[in-house]
Amino acid sequence: KQEVTQIPAALSVPEGENLVLNCSFTDSAIYNLQWFRQDPGKGLTSLLLIQSSQREQTSGRLNASLDKSSGRSTLYIAASQPGDSATYLCAVSNYGGATNKLIFGTGTLLAVQP
Amino acid sequence: DAGVTQSPTHLIKTRGQQVTLRCSPKSGHDTVSWYQQALGQGPQFIFQYYEEEERQRGNFPDRFSGHQYPNYSSELNVNALLLGDSALYLCASRGKGYGYTFGSGTRLTVV
Repeated sequence: KQEVTQIPAALSVPEGENLVLNCSFTDSAIYNLQWFRQDPGKGLTSLLLIQSSQREQTSGRLNASLDKSSGRSTLYIAASQPGDSATYLCAVSNYGGATNKLIFGTGTLLAVQP
Repeated sequence: DAGVTQSPTHLIKTRGQQVTLRCSPKSGHDTVSWYQQALGQGPQFIFQYYEEEERQRGNFPDRFSGHQYPNYSSELNVNALLLGDSALYLCASRGKGYGYTFGSGTRLTVV
């Protein structure tokens, strides 16, 4: 049974710092991994999607890496801003096709202090 | 281009009642999934619909049921509501690509 863990559960950093969020999964046979951002009481915004054959994806100040063999992914945020404050969730999918479901971690709550 | 639309945004129901939540997928998407997110937790998979059929189901009781219409929109029905059903319900859609797009969710409070 696939399980996803995110460390740390909460993180507070001063504005301008570079930071790393961690995600680990127990079954390395994943199809893809997706990072999401969630603002309080809101839905999920997709940040980055990494296919199982890829090692990393980049979007602006965000970079996500994937190491399938070790069951780990990291989300790197460069030059953090107060607007980056949110909960960050990672989710894995074990299958492609029409029946793939996302298995989520419990998230990392990020607070960027001005 | 509208993303995933969910209605209503908030809902308060009494224990034992029934509720229907609605979702319109992103244009071009044909697969719809529903998730339940309790406070402080990650979303939990309820079920997924494709071609108007339930294709996969998570560990939820039969009180949770759904439907997908020919235009790909979907409904989530919950019968005999319990206090523990209070949560944010998220709808996600996917097309021929690989990633899911989520709606803003419906906040259900059972009192």
